[in-house]
Amino acid sequence: DTGVSQDPRHKITKRGQNVTFRCDPISEHNRLYWYRQTLGQGPEFLTYFQNEAQLEKSRLLSDRFSAERPKGSFSTLEIQRTEQGDSAMYLCASSPTGSGDQPQHFGDGTRLSIL
Amino acid sequence: GENVEQHPSTLSVQEGDSAVIKCTYSDSASNYFPWYKQELGKRPQLIIDIRSNVGEKKDQRIAVTLNKTAKHFSLHITETQPEDSAVYFCAASETSYDKVIFGPGTSLSVIP
Repeated sequence: DTGVSQDPRHKITKRGQNVTFRCDPISEHNRLYWYRQTLGQGPEFLTYFQNEAQLEKSRLLSDRFSAERPKGSFSTLEIQRTEQGDSAMYLCASSPTGSGDQPQHFGDGTRLSIL
Repeated sequence: GENVEQHPSTLSVQEGDSAVIKCTYSDSASNYFPWYKQELGKRPQLIIDIRSNVGEKKDQRIAVTLNKTAKHFSLHITETQPEDSAVYFCAASETSYDKVIFGPGTSLSVIP
């Protein structure tokens, strides 16, 4: 079990720059989720996919954020024109669908720091 | 939308004592309630979950209870050990494969 993999683990960038994160889910999982976690808070839902279809986007996801999962496998989350408030841990999770409980498994996250 | 509240925000217990964390949720459509443990700098890890058609579930030293009428659910850890020290998050969703709404977390410290 390779688990959910995220890259990079850390990203430091200047305000106004664009950044892109990648998530590789567990191979047989058709659902993929993005969450954001700030210090001392619980993860906040951003968006999720079933295969390549984006099913829902949170109001937290401004038009500077875009997520894709073009082939239904890995996903990317891009933030354009980064702002100080974007500094956070970005967590990816995946799960299968079907009968029975199918809990979400999280990756180690990408920590974004905006200078 | 769903809102999950969690208490206390911090909890300190002596090793061997029990710890209880309580949560409430607002959306009656929620039917799945996972609990995650997050150690410093690490990923959230599922420790136990419960469905709305079950009132209680136990796994070794960990138990969860659910009162769907009152929209309350709780985590109980017995015989606490120092390695139980972490932040614990309760959460709610419609199904296990829908978006999950997390509570703000409880920082548990187990004192040896």
